[in-house]
Amino acid sequence: EIVLTQSPGALSLSPGERATLSCRASQSVDSNNLAWYQQKPGQAPRLLIYSTSSRATGIPDRFSGRGSGTDFTLTINRLEPEDFAVYYCQQFGGSTYTFGQGTKVEIK
Amino acid sequence: QVLLVESGGGVVQPGGSLRLSCAASGFTFSRFGMHWVRQAPGKGLEWIAFIRFDATTEYYADSVKGRFTISRDNSKTTLYLHMGSLRTEDTAVYYCARNYGGELDHWGQGTLVTVSS
Repeated sequence: EIVLTQSPGALSLSPGERATLSCRASQSVDSNNLAWYQQKPGQAPRLLIYSTSSRATGIPDRFSGRGSGTDFTLTINRLEPEDFAVYYCQQFGGSTYTFGQGTKVEIK
Repeated sequence: QVLLVESGGGVVQPGGSLRLSCAASGFTFSRFGMHWVRQAPGKGLEWIAFIRFDATTEYYADSVKGRFTISRDNSKTTLYLHMGSLRTEDTAVYYCARNYGGELDHWGQGTLVTVSS
């Protein structure tokens, strides 16, 4: 089973700053099979990025993803107040789907 | 628009059983695979089960294999999760989600299952 490790566990930033979130896989992941989600307190997760770098419908372009192999990154440019949340990466392959443990982006 | 509404959560004793439902609307349910994902209080997301659009294939996380069963009724556009031999560590909010190419593109609001004596 592929394990996804996200870092840092938490990130304290101010609105307008850039957030860089990392997701490292224990084995190589097909870049078509890596996604990112945002979750706010009391809400269901929302798909942000799929296939490593494609934005889901309605996701603003300040969100971007990149990576390959075992290292993937989600970048949020110019943080808006509504971007403070927990972010999860997720991979799928064969019969398994796994999530990272999450990175909390909090207001400094 | 796509709408997924979970129901069936509640309090159950250890060793007990529960069936969750997820009513789907706003899309052609029979064309999409579906997932269950759970989230223990204060914890991260844990994928637990997937079923193909035609119910011919099911996948499970090791943590629930042999105890939980995912199923669907395409005529009723409803997804189910049959949970048995429940443990305290199964306490969580359970979400259903639509599969789209391996990512989960729409999620319900979740239903809380509490396993406690």
